[in-house]
This record gives sequence, C-alpha cells and structure tokens, in this order.
Amino acid sequence: DAGVTQSPTHLIKTRGQQVTLRCSPKSGHDTVSWYQQALGQGPQFIFQYYEEEERQRGNFPDRFSGHQFPNYSSELNVNALLLGDSALYLCASSRGGGSYNEQFFGPGTRLTVL
Amino acid sequence: AQSVTQLGSHVSVSEGALVLLRCNYSSSVPPYLFWYVQYPNQGLQLLLKYTTGATLVKGINGFEAEFKKSETSFHLTKPSAHMSDAAEYFCAVSSDTGRRALTFGSGTRLQVQP
Repeated sequence: DAGVTQSPTHLIKTRGQQVTLRCSPKSGHDTVSWYQQALGQGPQFIFQYYEEEERQRGNFPDRFSGHQFPNYSSELNVNALLLGDSALYLCASSRGGGSYNEQFFGPGTRLTVL
Repeated sequence: AQSVTQLGSHVSVSEGALVLLRCNYSSSVPPYLFWYVQYPNQGLQLLLKYTTGATLVKGINGFEAEFKKSETSFHLTKPSAHMSDAAEYFCAVSSDTGRRALTFGSGTRLQVQP
C-alpha cells in the first residue's frame, strides 16, 4: 500500500514565476491538506481539500491556490513567487468523517526561489 | 485560536538517558494533541496522539506523553534514548471541530550522544 506521494522532490524557480506541486493521497483517504515548512520552523497549515472543495484555509495570501481531483489527488499552485516562498511543502492525507482521523504526511517538495 | 510552544529548540542527551521534550498548548476548545517526528529529508511520522480518554498515551518506539489539562502541557518522554532517536520532534494541536487542521510548534532537535 503506497503512502502519500508528492512530486517533484525538488524544484528551483525564480521570483515572479508560478509553480505547481502535486500530491497523491494514501489509498482510502479522501482529504488532502497542504503545509509549508520554512527552514528551521514547524509546518504551517495552508489549506485543506475535501470533496473537491477548499474546506479550511490558513493565513496564506491568494497567491496560494489549490485543486482536488475526483481521484482525491491534489495540486498546490503558487503564483508570483517570492524569495520567502522557499520552503518544504508537505502534503498530508486523511479520511474524512465525524471523528478525528490521523493525517499521513508525504516526503515533501523542496521549493527554492532564486 | 490555537498555539503550541515547544521549550528548547535543541536538546542533547546521552544514549540510555531519559528523553524529555516539552510542549505547552493554548486552545479555546478541547484539544487533540500530537507528537510527530521528522528525520532529515523526510516527511512527518506520527509518534502518538491524544484525542479523548486516558491522559497517558503510549506511542511508537517507546515514546509516551501525558496530557495535563491543568498545566496545558503534553510533554514527550522516553525512558532510555537510542542513537536512532536523533531527529526533529514537533508537537501539534487541533480541535474537535472543523476538519482539524494541525497547528505545529517550532520543533525540538534531539541529539543523542554516544
């Protein structure tokens, strides 16, 4: 059973460019959350997708957007990249429902903005 | 609003010594509490979680944590450190409402000396 997978592993972009990161959830999971982890810090919640809709959002600007597909995979898009967007981007998947379900994390995509 | 404070960004112990990593939280609603471990260039792995019920929680790799509501704490302990425990540890909190985005602390790097 494959866990959460993310692509690409590493990415280098320049300021002002746009980037798309991809995530495939663990089998049986229908909820995908995205986190940004800057160097030396804890992950910060960006947003969460369930049933192809953004259900919850953290304190991130509109430059950060996402999408969830019918197969539950997800994309994170960042427009007009800034140097400060350099970070490890983590995807986590879980099962939706009324009770807490553990979030499983992928290995992350390391984005470097030059 | 929720927040997590991890006291000590770096902790160093000798192999075989007690490991104690401190975590205090703030939450306006009953919290769910978690400890995650992150090895270099990897994603996050759940060590243990507290949702409801018994306040002493046992996790993987011999770790345990105790939820103390009166002290708003959820400290992580392990009786005897092993070299393989060297990693970054994150405490996180979520609530029992919404879709349960995680709020992380800034992390504690554990070094284990031979």
